[in-house]
Amino acid sequence: DAGITQSPRHKVTETGTPVTLRCHQTENHRYMYWYRQDPGHGLRLIHYSYGVKDTDKGEVSDGYSVSRSKTEDFLLTLESATSSQTSVYFCAISGGTGSNTGELFFGEGSRLTVL
Amino acid sequence: AQSVTQPDIHITVSEGASLELRCNYSYGATPYLFWYVQSPGQGLQLLLKYFSGDTLVQGIKGFEAEFKRSQSSFNLRKPSVHWSDAAEYFCAVGPSNFGNEKLTFGTGTRLTIIP
Repeated sequence: DAGITQSPRHKVTETGTPVTLRCHQTENHRYMYWYRQDPGHGLRLIHYSYGVKDTDKGEVSDGYSVSRSKTEDFLLTLESATSSQTSVYFCAISGGTGSNTGELFFGEGSRLTVL
Repeated sequence: AQSVTQPDIHITVSEGASLELRCNYSYGATPYLFWYVQSPGQGLQLLLKYFSGDTLVQGIKGFEAEFKRSQSSFNLRKPSVHWSDAAEYFCAVGPSNFGNEKLTFGTGTRLTIIP
């Protein structure tokens, strides 16, 4: 299994508070991604990173920011959480050495509830 | 724009029976196609992928899928399901010159296995 750790795994917060989710990888993969999973929507890309300090927006980036100061860590921040951001968030990685298969390796998810 | 449709939200099959999960895609050129599986409380895992060549591809856990260009389909099959196959299955499509940030996921099909 790919070494991907998400923290926290569960979080309950109130509307208007800031929230940061962390994704840590031990695989030295170049690419890292944040998705959200919602019933009826499948997985939707929020932001992704193609290297240290190199990030870009995905399909549903409004209200989210990311940072990647080290290869192994990719942070997702909700500056002011809203109830519409209640979701399960997945981190994924790809692009290991010699790999160009298009395969994503996923973390176990972080369930966020915004009250 | 590319899109993926999984027409069946929920399928129930008996253990030992055959399975077919449907996936239809919309894409202007030859797509890259994927099936992922998500066990309860887990992240997604790649089952199989199609890039080119033989239109019948084999994956892990005894699954296979067939690419049919004329029908814009990439249906997943298994001849005999096991109770451990109960999970949610996602089809995904990406362009042939893509990065993974271009992957589009379907909304998923939940598979229930009855004894």
